[in-house]
Amino acid sequence: GAVVSQHPSWVICKSGTSVKIECRSLDFQATTMFWYRQFPKQSLMLMATSNEGSKATYEQGVEKDKFLINHASLTLSTLTVTSAHPEDSSFYICSASPGTGRGGEQYFGPGTRLTVT
Amino acid sequence: GESVGLHLPTLSVQEGDNSIINCAYSNSASDYFIWYKQESGKGPQFIIDIRSNMDKRQGQRVTVLLNKTVKHLSLQIAATQPGDSAVYFCAERNAGNMLTFGGGTRLMVKP
Repeated sequence: GAVVSQHPSWVICKSGTSVKIECRSLDFQATTMFWYRQFPKQSLMLMATSNEGSKATYEQGVEKDKFLINHASLTLSTLTVTSAHPEDSSFYICSASPGTGRGGEQYFGPGTRLTVT
Repeated sequence: GESVGLHLPTLSVQEGDNSIINCAYSNSASDYFIWYKQESGKGPQFIIDIRSNMDKRQGQRVTVLLNKTVKHLSLQIAATQPGDSAVYFCAERNAGNMLTFGGGTRLMVKP
């Protein structure tokens, strides 16, 4: 149980284009979803937190107009990287939680490798 | 700001030996800590967790120790196997269910 999927698993796009990444909780309803970014040989850095039906909360330094997050249902959140540039190339990982506040576990997706050329 | 960090970036052990991965945290208000394993090109995989009102918790071949006095967390892996080779992250959970990850330690198991 508690499976989270991401699509696509990898994507290559040209500079200036936009890319959408999907995160789905397959066997549970995710009240909260989180988006992380991980550069090579570095740790996961939280980008934003989203609750179903609400606007996402972005971490300091993350541009909300560049990284659009939509959490339209309890099983799907999307991250759109707009006007992508080579420096946006990274490993994007989502996690989903069935609960809010303390006690809510986070279940991680397999990640999406984005390469911007 | 608050952070969670690791002492050793790379740990190399012989197959069959025990491994110990360490983590230092700075947020004394955290009450929940988690260890994750991440293989190359994959998302983090939950290993074991511990609440701050405990000092030790055991799982299958893994043990997590928590020393709140010195804000130190460790993961012990018994009889390390080649399949244990990965990067290990400690994470600290705060109010709002947000995780702060440490820098990661790469575990290399030599056959």
